[in-house]
Amino acid sequence: DAGVIQSPRHEVTEMGQEVTLRCKPISGHDYLFWYRQTMMRGLELLIYFNNNVPIDDSGMPEDRFSAKMPNASFSTLKIQPSEPRDSAVYFCASNGGEETQYFGPGTRLLVL
Amino acid sequence: GDSVTQMEGPVTLSEEAFLTINCTYTATGYPSLFWYVQYPGEGLQLLLKATKADDKGSNKGFEATYRKETTSFHLEKGSVQVSDSAVYFCALSEWGGGGADGLTFGKGTHLIIQP
Repeated sequence: DAGVIQSPRHEVTEMGQEVTLRCKPISGHDYLFWYRQTMMRGLELLIYFNNNVPIDDSGMPEDRFSAKMPNASFSTLKIQPSEPRDSAVYFCASNGGEETQYFGPGTRLLVL
Repeated sequence: GDSVTQMEGPVTLSEEAFLTINCTYTATGYPSLFWYVQYPGEGLQLLLKATKADDKGSNKGFEATYRKETTSFHLEKGSVQVSDSAVYFCALSEWGGGGADGLTFGKGTHLIIQP
């Protein structure tokens, strides 16, 4: 299996622009998680899905952030409008109903 | 809520030294405990895990024992190598009972092994 796939790996954008991060979970996994990693706050859970349905989005920082999972093999995390404080590494992870989560390589976002 | 506390780094050791990275947790239920490792520029990889009290997780020479009485899950390795240089994260998950949850992570410990 190819593992969790994220794109792009790096994104540089200007403040106010829309940013879309993409994730393909491991085939057969029915849970998908989005995390954000910063130096100040470490790793934080933003939102997770089960069978394409958002279960807990209490970690989403503000209304500028939204996430969707239109099917079992694809999810997006969108920031609109982006701000410099959104600069971070965003990780997607999936699991198949057991505890171990498998992480993608991350998207490194820089908002200027 | 749940939380994980681990020693802050960087931790710098010489090759073949003994390693301990401390991790303690607070949780409302009976969590599973994990150590993840992150190499530069990469995502997190599961290193080891333990799902109940007194379980010992082990992998690649690393070990950690789930101590419920001290709410700890310290990571140890008898002889570290330069290739062990990475950031190590302690984490917990309150899974089961028909529910699921994301992982709660510690801040991470940057380990540097010098030749």
